Amino acid sequence: LAKTTQPISMDSYEGQEVNITCSHNNIATNDYITWYQQFPSQGPRFIIQGYKTKVTNEVASLFIPADRKSSTLSLPRVSLSDTAVYYCLVGEGTGRRALTFGSGTRLQVQP
Amino acid sequence: ETGVTQSPTHLIKTRGQQVTLRCSSQSGHNTVSWYQQALGQGPQFIFQYYREEENGRGNFPPRFSGLQFPNYSSELNVNALELDDSALYLCASSLAASQETQYFGPGTRLLVL
Repeated sequence: LAKTTQPISMDSYEGQEVNITCSHNNIATNDYITWYQQFPSQGPRFIIQGYKTKVTNEVASLFIPADRKSSTLSLPRVSLSDTAVYYCLVGEGTGRRALTFGSGTRLQVQP
Repeated sequence: ETGVTQSPTHLIKTRGQQVTLRCSSQSGHNTVSWYQQALGQGPQFIFQYYREEENGRGNFPPRFSGLQFPNYSSELNVNALELDDSALYLCASSLAASQETQYFGPGTRLLVL
């Protein structure tokens, strides 16, 4: 599975847009890019998944450049409740693949 | 939220004991994966079950074993508990043929004393 690199931590303020970038230089042709959010003592929560270009849902947007060697998770107008750890994963998008988590990005949103 | 439930929510055991954790998958999902998450780290893949058979295993010793039942629910069994087994154990369900990813339950917090 392609290894991912993302910042260890980020700080933001309520109402700001937060962009978390993940590098995955060795991404394979069949790999999807998936982001999860995790609050303390809870299971990771699926946020968004994409293969190329841009994907948007009610929670976030995912920007993937043409070479797919990186991706950016964009959280619009964050609130205190967005304080969490965000994980970037790459791998085949089927439900039968083991997910490989890194250490994630710890986002702290201040009032 | 995800429809994946786990029991119990918390558990305290002593070293050398055995433990069984349970997971009910989201309706329609036929694949269950188990992960161990130590404090401050990302989840680590233990193994996956598909149609009642083990379908992949991470770097965990044989004292970690599992079962999947015809209704796709699953159990994780850990024998001869060690202090380092203290962690959050997560179950995730998915549909094998789908391009979608896995959906996690709330986890079971295990403390080994």
